[in-house]
Amino acid sequence: GAVVSQHPSWVICKSGTSVKIECRSLDFQATTMFWYRQFPKQSLMLMATSNEGSKATYEQGVEKDKFLINHASLTLSTLTVTSAHPEDSSFYICSARTGSLYYEQYFGPGTRLTVT
Amino acid sequence: GESVGLHLPTLSVQEGDNSIINCAYSNSASDYFIWYKQESGKGPQFIIDIRSNMDKRQGQRVTVLLNKTVKHLSLQIAATQPGDSAVYFCAETTDQGAQKLVFGQGTRLTINP
Repeated sequence: GAVVSQHPSWVICKSGTSVKIECRSLDFQATTMFWYRQFPKQSLMLMATSNEGSKATYEQGVEKDKFLINHASLTLSTLTVTSAHPEDSSFYICSARTGSLYYEQYFGPGTRLTVT
Repeated sequence: GESVGLHLPTLSVQEGDNSIINCAYSNSASDYFIWYKQESGKGPQFIIDIRSNMDKRQGQRVTVLLNKTVKHLSLQIAATQPGDSAVYFCAETTDQGAQKLVFGQGTRLTINP
């Protein structure tokens, strides 16, 4: 149980285009989903927190107009990287948590974005 | 605090030996800590957690130790196996707000045959 999927697993796009990444909780309802970015050989950095049906909360320094997050249902959140540039190339990972008392988050497998 | 740095600390151990991975956390208000294992090209996988009212917790082949006085966390892996090779991250969070996780720098563990 507690499986989180991401699609696509990798994507290559041209500079200036937009890319959408999906995060799904497959066997549980996720009241909250998180989006992280991870550069090579670095740790995970939280980008934003999204709660179903409300606007995402972005971390300081993360452009909300560039990284659009939509948490339309309890099992799906999407991250759209708009007008992507090569510096946006990274490993994007989502996580999901239920409304339980525990803070454990279930992570997706990640999406490798390469902007050329 | 936020994790910084371009180079992951590395630890190499012989298969069958025990390994200890250390982590210094930043927020004295953090009250919940998690160790994650991340294999190449994959998302983090939960290993073990510990609350701040404990100083030790054991799982299968893993033990987490927490020293709140010096804000230090360690992960002990017993009888390491090739499948233990990965990057290990500690993460901290507080009991308030959105329970946002703050990840440590990470340590790359390599198990030598």
